[in-house]
Amino acid sequence: AQSVAQPEDQVNVAEGNPLTVKCTYSVSGNPYLFWYVQYPNRGLQFLLKYITGDNLVKGSYGFEAEFNKSQTSFHLKKPSALVSDSALYFCAVRDKGSSNTGKLIFGQGTTLQVKP
Amino acid sequence: GAGVSQSPSNKVTEKGKDVELRCDPISGHTALYWYRQSLGQGLEFLIYFQGNSAPDKSGLPSDRFSAERTGGSVSTLTIQRTQQEDSAVYLCASSETRDSYNEQFFGPGTRLTVL
Repeated sequence: AQSVAQPEDQVNVAEGNPLTVKCTYSVSGNPYLFWYVQYPNRGLQFLLKYITGDNLVKGSYGFEAEFNKSQTSFHLKKPSALVSDSALYFCAVRDKGSSNTGKLIFGQGTTLQVKP
Repeated sequence: GAGVSQSPSNKVTEKGKDVELRCDPISGHTALYWYRQSLGQGLEFLIYFQGNSAPDKSGLPSDRFSAERTGGSVSTLTIQRTQQEDSAVYLCASSETRDSYNEQFFGPGTRLTVL
């Protein structure tokens, strides 16, 4: 079965410092990986995706993620955190099972808190 | 352009009542998904539509839950005889196609509270 894990419930970082939100996955074959962000009382917003090609993927709001096949990881990163980055972040893998519906399988989410 | 919209944004109901939640996907998107977000269960898939048909209903938690999609556009999720454990945020998402490389675009959600 395909799954995604986000090992940290919360990440705290000071404004201006680099941030990393961790994600590991377990899938058969090549994964299609996504990061979404959720601000309070809002839906999920797409940040970036890895489908194929370069392992370093750049996305919205200055975020990037590095796909590492050997470590089965897809960590989200940003060189310099902003207070406005404080939100709930979800890593997800797109279902490629026999039904091929493309549904997303989510990690449990990581709350990012950026302090001024 | 317009994103995915959902209504109502909030719904408070009494246990045992039926509720209907609506989703308007992005125009032209053929794939539509419903998810549920709750404290204990995280984000979980409920049902997938391709056009008006639902080839994957595997995430619906019980036969009290049903959904339909008409005109390849609007979708309604119905919960009959609501229970307190149904309280959650129900999210709708659409995608150009079901192809796995397409990202899904989410609506703001409907927060359902069952008293």
